[in-house]
Amino acid sequence: LAKTTQPISMDSYEGQEVNITCSHNNIATNDYITWYQQFPSQGPRFIIQGYKTKVTNEVASLFIPADRKSSTLSLPRVSLSDTAVYYCLVGGNTGRRALTFGSGTRLQVQP
Amino acid sequence: GAGVSQSPSNKVTEKGKDVELRCDPISGHTALYWYRQRLGQGLEFLIYFQGNSAPDKSGLPSDRFSAERTGESVSTLTIQRTQQEDSAVYLCASSFSGALTDTQYFGPGTRLTVL
Repeated sequence: LAKTTQPISMDSYEGQEVNITCSHNNIATNDYITWYQQFPSQGPRFIIQGYKTKVTNEVASLFIPADRKSSTLSLPRVSLSDTAVYYCLVGGNTGRRALTFGSGTRLQVQP
Repeated sequence: GAGVSQSPSNKVTEKGKDVELRCDPISGHTALYWYRQRLGQGLEFLIYFQGNSAPDKSGLPSDRFSAERTGESVSTLTIQRTQQEDSAVYLCASSFSGALTDTQYFGPGTRLTVL
């Protein structure tokens, strides 16, 4: 699986837009990019997934440039409840199913 | 049930004892995963089951760790002769087919404390 690099932590204030970038320089042709969110004392929860360009759902947007060597999770107008750890995963439909969540990005939203 | 369930939610044991952790996946999900999460760290893959295929045990840290799954239902993670470094939250997840593009649904985890 492609190795990913994310910032360890980020701080924001309520109402701001937060962008978390993940680097994945050795992404393979059939790899997808998936983001999960984890609140304290809970298991991770799927946020969004994409392959290229832009994906948007009710929670977030995912921006993927043409070379796909990075991706940016965008959270619009964050609230205190968005305080969580965000994980970027890269992998495809073939090969080993093992997932490496890494240490993620710890987002702290302040009032 | 509607989601993945795990039991017990908390387990405190003494060093050297064996423990069994249980996971009930979402009905119909063929893939089941076990992860370990130490305090303040990311998730560490342990083992993966997919249907009737041989499980991927490549993440098990030692031969003290083992897991079983009955068909496409319940799974049990067993840790023998527990050590203090085994203290962590053990998370179970299931997905429809096991492809990375499938959403993994996680249970609440079992917090294991080895004294």
